[in-house]
Amino acid sequence: SYVLTQPPSVSVAPGQTASMTCGGSNIGFYSVQWYQQKAGQAPVVVVYDDTHRPSGIPERFSGSNSGNTATLTISRVEAGDEADYYCQVWDNSSDQSVFGGGTKLTVL
Amino acid sequence: QVQLLESGGGLVKPGGSLRLSCEASGFFFRDYHMTWIRQAPGKGLEWVSYISSSGGAIYYADSLKGRFTISRDNAKNSLFLQMNSLRAEDTAVYYCAKVRGFGMDVWGQGTTVTVSS
Repeated sequence: SYVLTQPPSVSVAPGQTASMTCGGSNIGFYSVQWYQQKAGQAPVVVVYDDTHRPSGIPERFSGSNSGNTATLTISRVEAGDEADYYCQVWDNSSDQSVFGGGTKLTVL
Repeated sequence: QVQLLESGGGLVKPGGSLRLSCEASGFFFRDYHMTWIRQAPGKGLEWVSYISSSGGAIYYADSLKGRFTISRDNAKNSLFLQMNSLRAEDTAVYYCAKVRGFGMDVWGQGTTVTVSS
């Protein structure tokens, strides 16, 4: 089955830029979603279809996807961005949805 | 306001069964595909199952090996997950979510299932 690989943790100072990767074989051919999950809360989609932001999500959140890596970038990081971030795709070959293991973003 | 409300979680003994429900409001439920996702304590998200808007297409995670059954009642704006032969490793928060494109755009708050003797 398809596997998505995320680094367990990323740390960044407030005001800086955080980049979180999601690796998968030819992931550039998939539609990638990114979810933010704060402690004790349900996940919220912050990027869908690789690069699109739902209404209400700040422009500071952006996504890209090419080759074997998709990336979620958060610019001007704020303390409130501290959360776990998960990437997700739908794998047509197995008719299953797949999540990455998640990256914990720590704001120093 | 688009909302999903799960219920039916609780404590169950290994080998037991449980039926989860998810009540939808604020959107035309019958027009949307739905899915269940779970999260074991301290772990990441794990996709469980998918059902198309009409119920005609259903998919499951390989790891479930036929123990779970997803269904829906469009007349009652409700999604269900029947879980049988439960194991300790099924202990998790179970979320229902509305499918949009290849992902999920609305999530419920989750219901907790604990499998323990």
